[in-house]
Amino acid sequence: DVVMTQSPLSLPVTLGQPASISCRSSQSLVYSDGNTYLNWFQQRPGQSPRRLIYKVSNRDSGVPDRFSGSGSGTDFTLKISRVEAEDVGVYYCMQGAHWPRTFGQGTKVEIK
Amino acid sequence: QVQLVESGGGVVQPGRSLRLSCEASGFTFSNYGMHWVRQAPGKGLEWVAVIWSDGINKYYVDSVKGRFTISRDNSKNTLYLQMNSLRAEDTAVYYCAANFDFWGQGTLVTVSS
Repeated sequence: DVVMTQSPLSLPVTLGQPASISCRSSQSLVYSDGNTYLNWFQQRPGQSPRRLIYKVSNRDSGVPDRFSGSGSGTDFTLKISRVEAEDVGVYYCMQGAHWPRTFGQGTKVEIK
Repeated sequence: QVQLVESGGGVVQPGRSLRLSCEASGFTFSNYGMHWVRQAPGKGLEWVAVIWSDGINKYYVDSVKGRFTISRDNSKNTLYLQMNSLRAEDTAVYYCAANFDFWGQGTLVTVSS
């Protein structure tokens, strides 16, 4: 199985400051169709997960533009340009190129 | 609006069975691959199974192969997860997700004697 490794696992951030989460996969996430299948999800406290980013850098509908995704191959990053109070929660990367699908351990974002 | 509503969770003894349902509305269910994802108490997300839109192709995580069966009824806009030979480690909130675009609120399964 593809192992997804996130860092850091805990991220205290000051409101209005940027935040960055790294996600590395044990195998390339480039699929045979040429696309790279890496998703980012947000799970706010007490809520279901919600996808923010698909195929590395595509924002889902309704996702604020302060969220951005980048990376290639096995190395990916989620950035929040200016953290807001509503961004508190756990963020997961998930690979969609191999079966079984696998998630990272999660990164808990909290306000300092 | 889009809705996915899971049901069927509860407390069950080890070795027993349970069937989860996920009723979809607000989108064309038959066009979407459907997933089950679970989250043990206080833990991260674990993908469990997927079924293609036509109901033919299915994949499972190794830990549930041979015990869980995913199925769907496109005429009823409903996804199912038949869980047999349940173990304590299957205790989790089970979410259904439509191609990860939409998620339900989850249903809690507790396996305990």
